[in-house]
Amino acid sequence: AQKVTQAQTEISVVEKEDVTLDCVYETRDTTYYLFWYKQPPSGELVFLIRRNSFDEQNEISGRYSWNFQKSTSSFNFTITASQVVDSAVYFCALTPPGAGSYQLTFGKGTKLSVIP
Amino acid sequence: GAGVSQSPSNKVTEKGKDVELRCDPISGHTALYWYRQSLGQGLEFLIYFQGNSAPDKSGLPSDRFSAERTGGSVSTLTIQRTQQEDSAVYLCASSQMGRGAFFGQGTRLTVV
Repeated sequence: AQKVTQAQTEISVVEKEDVTLDCVYETRDTTYYLFWYKQPPSGELVFLIRRNSFDEQNEISGRYSWNFQKSTSSFNFTITASQVVDSAVYFCALTPPGAGSYQLTFGKGTKLSVIP
Repeated sequence: GAGVSQSPSNKVTEKGKDVELRCDPISGHTALYWYRQSLGQGLEFLIYFQGNSAPDKSGLPSDRFSAERTGGSVSTLTIQRTQQEDSAVYLCASSQMGRGAFFGQGTRLTVV
């Protein structure tokens, strides 16, 4: 069975602060994919990143960065210099190997509020 | 289209009625998924279509739920004899092989 835990239910930060969203996962598969999605108030889930379990390199995209550590089964997401537009619910997700992203197992989400 | 399109965006129905929810995936995406998002349960997988293969229906909560995908493109999720516990946001997503899934804005279903 697979499980994704996002221990932080809600986080509030002041604009321009850095914030890290935690994600811990459990899986018996040796290969898998990890994802982060953003759900703004409009409701649409916005794809942010997909990471293959083979690739433990950290990734940076603008103000976003991801720290994948297989040894601790964690895939944390950091927003640098947060902005009000970053306010949303963020979901971490896991999928088994196979023909593409399939049957994503989602965490419960972390609601981020960035205060101006 | 540019993104995954779902209709209607909101649906209010009476308990016991049937409803149909529609999903128009991104053109060229072979995989299509339905998820349900509710307050108590978070995001739950419902069903997955991949090309012409038999769909994975393992997430459908009861036999009142069914889905089809015509011509490898548009999909319809049907809920028969709706119950109040069916109230949720129903999300559709599509993807290309080996890529991240892109979600629509969802259909908010309210059963009264």
